[in-house]
Amino acid sequence: QVTLKESGPVLVKPTETLTLTCTFSGFSLSNVKVGVSWIRQPPGKALEWLAHIFSNDEKTYSRSLKSRVSISKDTSTSQVVLTMTNMDPVDTATYYCARIRCSSVSCLSGARYYYMDVWGKGTTVTVPS
Amino acid sequence: SYVLTQPPSVSVAPGKTATITCGGNGIGSKIVHWYQQRPGQAPVLVMYYDTDRPSGIPERFSGFNSGSTATLTISRVEAGDEADYYCQVWDGTGDHWVFGGGTTLIVL
Repeated sequence: QVTLKESGPVLVKPTETLTLTCTFSGFSLSNVKVGVSWIRQPPGKALEWLAHIFSNDEKTYSRSLKSRVSISKDTSTSQVVLTMTNMDPVDTATYYCARIRCSSVSCLSGARYYYMDVWGKGTTVTVPS
Repeated sequence: SYVLTQPPSVSVAPGKTATITCGGNGIGSKIVHWYQQRPGQAPVLVMYYDTDRPSGIPERFSGFNSGSTATLTISRVEAGDEADYYCQVWDGTGDHWVFGGGTTLIVL
C-alpha cells in the first residue's frame, strides 16, 4: 500500500523559510517511472503545483516560484523535502505531496506521461500578516 | 502560460449525467488527468491519460479529450459524487504542471 505523509511547521513567520517533509512508504524513489510532487491549495482556492523530483534526481519547479523553492530527496529514508524561502501571508495554504508515476510505454518521453496517483492528506501552513 | 478553464459549478439531479468540461488551447493534443476532492479531503485521481480509470473508480466515470475541450462525465450521479473536480495537464512549453480552476459538482 502506497502512503505519503506531509510534516512541518503549522505557523511560519513572514520572511522565514518553510521546510516541509514528505515521508512515504510502499514505493521507492530508486525505481524508474516514479517521482514525488508538491502541490498547495490556499483556503477556498484551486490546486497549484510547486515542484517535482524523479528517481534520477531530475527536478522541475513552478516558474512563478522557481526562485524561492527547492526540492530534494533522500532515498534511504524515503523522504522528499521542500523548502520555500521568504514566506508571505499569500503562501498560507494546505501543502500536499503526491506520488507521480507513469504507466505508459512513453515514460521516457517526459513528464507529460506522469500523473499524481496517490496523495498525502496534506499539512496546513499559516503565515500571519 | 497555459490556461485551463473550468466552469465554477455544475448541478445535476441524482441518477442523471454530469459533464464537467476543461477548456484549453489545443488541449486535445495534451494528456489530461482529473482529480476529485471531497470537502476537507485530499484530491483523488479519478481519470488519467484522458480516458483511463484507476482501480476502484466506478465505471460511471468516463473521460474524453479532443480539440479544445476535455470532459469528465459522471453517469448515474450519486450524492457521494458531490466534490470539486480538477483537470490537469503538463505544459511542455513552460515545463510545468497546470491545474484548472476546479468545478464544484452539486448534487441536487
